[in-house]
Order: sequence, then C-alpha cells, then structure tokens
Amino acid sequence: RKEVEQDPGPFNVPEGATVAFNCTYSNSASQSFFWYRQDCRKEPKLLMSVYSSGNEDGRFTAQLNRASQYISLLIRDSKLSDSATYLCVVTPYGQNFVFGPGTRLSVLP
Amino acid sequence: NAGVTQTPKFRILKIGQSMTLQCTQDMNHNYMYWYRQDPGMGLKLIYYSVGAGITDKGEVPNGYNVSRSTTEDFPLRLELAAPSQTSVYFCASSGEVNTQYFGPGTRLTVL
Repeated sequence: RKEVEQDPGPFNVPEGATVAFNCTYSNSASQSFFWYRQDCRKEPKLLMSVYSSGNEDGRFTAQLNRASQYISLLIRDSKLSDSATYLCVVTPYGQNFVFGPGTRLSVLP
Repeated sequence: NAGVTQTPKFRILKIGQSMTLQCTQDMNHNYMYWYRQDPGMGLKLIYYSVGAGITDKGEVPNGYNVSRSTTEDFPLRLELAAPSQTSVYFCASSGEVNTQYFGPGTRLTVL
C-alpha cells in the first residue's frame, strides 16, 4: 500500500459547485498533515494545514480523521482560479514530508 | 526575502554528462530537500538535510549526490546523466513550523 493515496481525478466541475477530495495515509504515527496546491508547471504551495479539530479558510475546509487515517478537502463555490492539482502531504516522522500523487481539478465556466 | 531560489530554470544534457543544480534559501531554515516530479506524478524525495554538514537519502537517491556546507545552500549533483533522470527538480526548505517552501523548479531533459 502506498504511504499516501488520493482520488485519482480529474474532477471537472462547473463554477459555483462544491467539490471534495479524499486522501488516505498508511502510517498511523503520522504527525502533521497538509494540503498543497500546484498550478501547471509551477512549484507546490501550501494551501492549508489540517488539524485534528478540522479547520476552515474561506471557501476551503479540511478535515482529519486519525482513526480512519483519512484527510479531506472541501471547496465551496468553486472559482475558475481554483483549477489546479491538489496534493495531500503527510509527515510520517520528523520533518520528512510524503506527497500523494495529487488530484487534478478543472473548474469550468 | 527571495525565499528559495533554484538555477538553472531549464537544462538539456547529453547522456553521460554531469551537472549541478543549485538551490539557495534565505530564510535560515535548517531543513532542505530535493524532490523530482515526473510528468503526471507526485513528488519523490531524492535527498534531504537537517542542517549544515548533515544529509541523508530519500526515496530515490541513486544517480545523485548532495552536500550541505552552509545553511543557505543545498546543491544537487548528477554525475552521469541518464534519460531516466529527465524530470522537474524542486528544492524546498522548512523551518521549525513544519511548512515547506519550494523553489520554482529546474526542468531537466537528458537526451
């Protein structure tokens, strides 16, 4: 089993739609969790950290379920500018970051 | 703050040639990383460093070498380029707050 797995996508959604991405991780001792965004041919950039209590940043909501080793990202009211690849990132130990393969989102006009 | 800078942006190598990818960060971060990303794939860790003078292998270290003589610089060396090393290479750094900052990447083609 891969360390971090994500919905393969791509997700093609109309503007204004709500879309959710899922991510699972294999190492139950993992300590920190993140969602990164990567635009085409660009470097990944931090979108948000994921906390045990869940967290929200504007239209974005992240949830963590440690028991099920599952992370989710919900995007409400999708914008064209949300089109990107979303990377789930886990730190199984220390400062080592393990990236999932990414889920591609296309928001259509 | 420039953040993380990488040079060159693009490079074409012939099989068997060698080159060094440069990475510099100005955030005084202890941790630095090199990843490669193949088309349509996720990032794979090549090497990482937890501080000056300390480096360790990641998931895919074969064919690469690194050094960390200063906090700021973390160059990646390819000794005998092979077509399988065609990829986009990202350098990243992180401090104590556990967030990685990435450079813009180097696109390498080996022909």
